[in-house]
Amino acid sequence: QLQLRESGPGLVKPSETLSLTCTVSGGFVNVATYYWSWIRQPPGKGLEWIGDVYYSGSTNYNPSLKSRVAISIDTSKNQFSLRLTSVTAADTAVFFCAKGGDGYEEWGPGTLVTVSS
Amino acid sequence: EIVLTQSPGTLSLSPGERATLSCRATQRISSVFLAWYQQKPGQAPRLLIYGVFNRASGIPDRFSGSGSGTDFTLTIRRLEPEDSAVYYCQQYGPSITFGGGTKVEIK
Repeated sequence: QLQLRESGPGLVKPSETLSLTCTVSGGFVNVATYYWSWIRQPPGKGLEWIGDVYYSGSTNYNPSLKSRVAISIDTSKNQFSLRLTSVTAADTAVFFCAKGGDGYEEWGPGTLVTVSS
Repeated sequence: EIVLTQSPGTLSLSPGERATLSCRATQRISSVFLAWYQQKPGQAPRLLIYGVFNRASGIPDRFSGSGSGTDFTLTIRRLEPEDSAVYYCQQYGPSITFGGGTKVEIK
């Protein structure tokens, strides 16, 4: 069974870069029919799509975050990654990675990232 | 960007009752790219419905989706205590957006 797990620092300072990695097990990221996404959820609030990446490396980003986001994929490690630059307290959230197809079929458990000095 | 508005914000019902959750889009959603998720506290969302009316694997038939164009509905028949959660709709064509969620409370 496919599993995803997010990893990365739980605390990032304002103006710095947030970096997270999603490791996929029980399956492969180099499958053409799926896409791999990052979604975040500020504490007590709703879900916000950040962006996604295909096995080819092509990406789509939320227009509101596009200038600060980069998502990449490493098929050799079966991982995909998120970089979010110039973070502020408003970027504090639980970050989820997920497998996309017909909706998001599989999700990681999520990781809380707090932006604070 | 397609904005999804969910209503009501909170639904408080008793076990055995029917819940009707609404999701309205600012533009027509083509190709049936509409999904519903259930999220319980401290957990990742769980896919319930995709393609407007298709139940995801392992989802009981008490959950059903319907709608077209800009108006979509998630119906939960015979509510059970474990249905207490926040429910989100999502459109995934074009781009991806989520609704603000409906909280279902079981009395």
